[in-house]
Amino acid sequence: AQSVTQLDSQVPVFEEAPVELRCNYSSSVSVYLFWYVQYPNQGLQLLLKYLSGSTLVKGINGFEAEFNKSQTSFHLRKPSVHISDTAEYFCAVSESGNTPLVFGKGTRLSVIA
Amino acid sequence: AAGVIQSPRHLIKEKRETATLKCYPIPRHDTVYWYQQGPGQDPQFLISFYEKMQSDKGSIPDRFSAQQFSDYHSELNMSSLELGDSALYFCASSSGSWGYEQYFGPGTRLTVT
Repeated sequence: AQSVTQLDSQVPVFEEAPVELRCNYSSSVSVYLFWYVQYPNQGLQLLLKYLSGSTLVKGINGFEAEFNKSQTSFHLRKPSVHISDTAEYFCAVSESGNTPLVFGKGTRLSVIA
Repeated sequence: AAGVIQSPRHLIKEKRETATLKCYPIPRHDTVYWYQQGPGQDPQFLISFYEKMQSDKGSIPDRFSAQQFSDYHSELNMSSLELGDSALYFCASSSGSWGYEQYFGPGTRLTVT
């Protein structure tokens, strides 16, 4: 069975500062990894994904993540955050294409002016 | 670009009533997923369909049923509603031809009173 651990439930950060949201996963098989963002009262929007290939993946809104197989991690980073980045961020894993996502508990990013 | 459409967006029901949620996937997407997100929780997988056949089943109560129709839209039927069913219900769609990532609809907020 797969599982995802997001180590921080809340991350406050000042505007224009860098941020890292941590995600670790466990799985007995190869996985696909995703980061989704959820703004208040909205659906989930895909930020980026790792399926295979380069371990550094770039997504929308200036976010990037690095897949580290030995540490079973997929941390999300942004070099300079904006107020508009305030949202809930979910890391998710799936066993393969067309299989359900297993989500972490989420990290609430609060950007402070 | 077309997105996943869910209706209704908001629904208020009383205990023991029934509810039907509808999902219209992105055109040419062959897989539909249903997720339930309780207040302050991460999304939990309920059930999925591939080419109109049930493909995976998660933590869906026996009181709930779902199906995918010939036009690929899907309906989630919920009976004998309980207070604990109050949640956001997301539908997502994907296609192996389009990279497997799941695109989420805006969700239906169900409130059971």
